[in-house]
Amino acid sequence: ETGVTQTPRHLVMGMTNKKSLKCEQHLGHNAMYWYKQSAKKPLELMFVYNFKEQTENNSVPSRFSPECPNSSHLFLHLHTLQPEDSALYLCASSQDTPSGEQFFGPGTRLTVL
Amino acid sequence: GQQLNQSPQSMFIQEGEDVSMNCTSSSIFNTWLWYKQDPGEGPVLLIALYKAGELTSNGRLTAQFGITRKDSFLNISASIPSDVGIYFCAGQILMNSGGSNYKLTFGKGTLLTVNP
Repeated sequence: ETGVTQTPRHLVMGMTNKKSLKCEQHLGHNAMYWYKQSAKKPLELMFVYNFKEQTENNSVPSRFSPECPNSSHLFLHLHTLQPEDSALYLCASSQDTPSGEQFFGPGTRLTVL
Repeated sequence: GQQLNQSPQSMFIQEGEDVSMNCTSSSIFNTWLWYKQDPGEGPVLLIALYKAGELTSNGRLTAQFGITRKDSFLNISASIPSDVGIYFCAGQILMNSGGSNYKLTFGKGTLLTVNP
């Protein structure tokens, strides 16, 4: 595997479900990010981790819970989501923060019913 | 907060034509970046610009960091069908010297369609 991988690529869940999104980077980077991409909106930064430490939480609701066990893996735990949370969730990594040269994964297309 | 105005929202062009898109802001940025996103994929970095006035090329792509640091443009020459996708500009500003207080702000994207 190379670059940034995300699983699953598609996820449909009910509002009472608990699920997790996984991201893995094979680039030796130190920083990882979660973004939300909704139709006709700019990419929204959700969380930033640098050397496994969360350095930014962009006012994200607590129903989204990130976890970064090491600098190569990033999770986004989801529980009691709302239909408006349906979106493409993108993971990215960069060598350091701050860095604009972020490498993105393919995303997880999430649908909340 | 910082906002980027990216235009145009969409473009329909014929293969072989040149394309130009731009981003403007009322805020100053330290870095400008241009990404392309294909359907079902994440954005891919095309060009990064770090100095005001900088002009950088990547194949048929050319981007410039505006001298005022508030704008950037991306040109694509001699477009081909695989240029189809959404192009995003992004600006980054470092808020402090500590290195953790920064933000990468994205434009809403320009959807490019190339007719063969």
